[in-house]
Amino acid sequence: DAGVTQSPTHLIKTRGQQVTLRCSPKSGHDTVSWYQQALGQGPQFIFQYYEEEERQRGNFPDRFSGHQFPNYSSELNVNALLLGDSALYLCASSFLGDTEAFFGQGTRLTVV
Amino acid sequence: DAKTTQPTSMDCAEGRAANLPCNHSTISGNEYVYWYRQIHSQGPQYIIHGLKNNETNEMASLIITEDRKSSTLILPHATLRDTAVYYCIVRVSYNQGGKLIFGQGTELSVKP
Repeated sequence: DAGVTQSPTHLIKTRGQQVTLRCSPKSGHDTVSWYQQALGQGPQFIFQYYEEEERQRGNFPDRFSGHQFPNYSSELNVNALLLGDSALYLCASSFLGDTEAFFGQGTRLTVV
Repeated sequence: DAKTTQPTSMDCAEGRAANLPCNHSTISGNEYVYWYRQIHSQGPQYIIHGLKNNETNEMASLIITEDRKSSTLILPHATLRDTAVYYCIVRVSYNQGGKLIFGQGTELSVKP
């Protein structure tokens, strides 16, 4: 049983560009959350998706948007990239309201 | 903002018990204490969680004080592979989205 998978693993983008990161949740999980982890910091909650809708959002600008598909997979989109968006982006999946969230290995985004 | 306070770093001898403390003095009655760990450049890994009672699983034990203002994660026989950053997290209640609010974590170094 595959766990949470994220793609790509690494990505380099230029300031001002747009990027899309992808996440496939653990089999059977219906909820996907995204986190941003800057170097040396703990992960910060971006938003959570359930039933194809954004259920909750952290303190991130509208440049960060997402989507969840009927098969529960999810995308994170970031527009107008800034140098400060360079980070490890983590996807976590769970059953809604369940106790344990499983994390993927993350996508390392570098903005130059 | 994170609702937990942890020491920045700790050392432990291989084979000994590692005791990682955490303060969460503002925890609410329906909020759980979670522990995750993150080995360098990987996604966080769930360890254990609890509400009021002490908990034990195959990885660790969680001791929560009676007033719930602090807790201790115990790795009974630390190995070199337990070297990681350990995050103590107060999980927001389900009705508030259930997001995980990470702090800075404790960097545990297990030494031979």
